[in-house]
Amino acid sequence: SAVISQKPSRDICQRGTSLTIQCQVDSQVTMMFWYRQQPGQSLTLIATANQGSEATYESGFVIDKFPISRPNLTFSTLTVSNMSPEDSSIYLCSVAPPPLFGPGTRLLVL
Amino acid sequence: RKEVEQDPGPFNVPEGATVAFNCTYSNSASQSFFWYRQDCRKEPKLLMSVYSSGNEDGRFTAQLNRASQYISLLIRDSKLSDSATYLCVVRTGNQFYFGTGTSLTVIP
Repeated sequence: SAVISQKPSRDICQRGTSLTIQCQVDSQVTMMFWYRQQPGQSLTLIATANQGSEATYESGFVIDKFPISRPNLTFSTLTVSNMSPEDSSIYLCSVAPPPLFGPGTRLLVL
Repeated sequence: RKEVEQDPGPFNVPEGATVAFNCTYSNSASQSFFWYRQDCRKEPKLLMSVYSSGNEDGRFTAQLNRASQYISLLIRDSKLSDSATYLCVVRTGNQFYFGTGTSLTVIP
C-alpha cells in the first residue's frame, strides 16, 4: 500500500500568517484528500485535491482560506491562510481507495 | 440525516471480554465498507475491509448487513492493546464517509 509523508509534522504559528503543508506519496494515486481533525473530534473533509484542476471543497471550506495544489499524482499541498486560533487542528492528507492517511500535521495558532 | 452513524461509546471492558461496535449508513448505494483504528494523537489506520460474506482476521470479525444497512466489528478476547478509537468508513461513489468513532478502553 502507498506510503504517505507529510511535512511539517507540527508547527506553532502566529495569527494572520499562512502555513503550507506538503503531502508526498510514494506511488501515483488517483484520489487524494485533505482532512482536519480537532481534538476529540472525528475527521472533517476539507477538499478533494484534483490533479490538474481546481480542488473540490466541502461546505464551509473555501479556496481563499485553504488553497490546494496538486501538480501531479504523487504530491499535493494545502495552505492554511490568514490563520486564527480556530485553525488549530491536525491536518491529514489521505489517498484512496481505501483511505490511507499521512501522519498528520499538528498546527497550533497563537 | 448523516451518511454514517456510530455510537461514540465509550466502551470500557475487562481484558478477555468480547465487544461489538455497529455503524449504520443511510445510502443503499454505498459500495465499500471499512473499519479503522485510531490511537491517541495518531492518524487512523486501516484495520480491515468489510465484505458481504463477512470476514475474520484473528480476533476481529467484520460483518455487513445490506438489508438493514449496518456494519459491525466484533473483537474477541480483548487485549489492553486494543484500547483505541474505532472508526467505520463507508464509500459511496467517490466519497468516503467517516463515523464519529467509538472509544474502547480495555481494563486490566
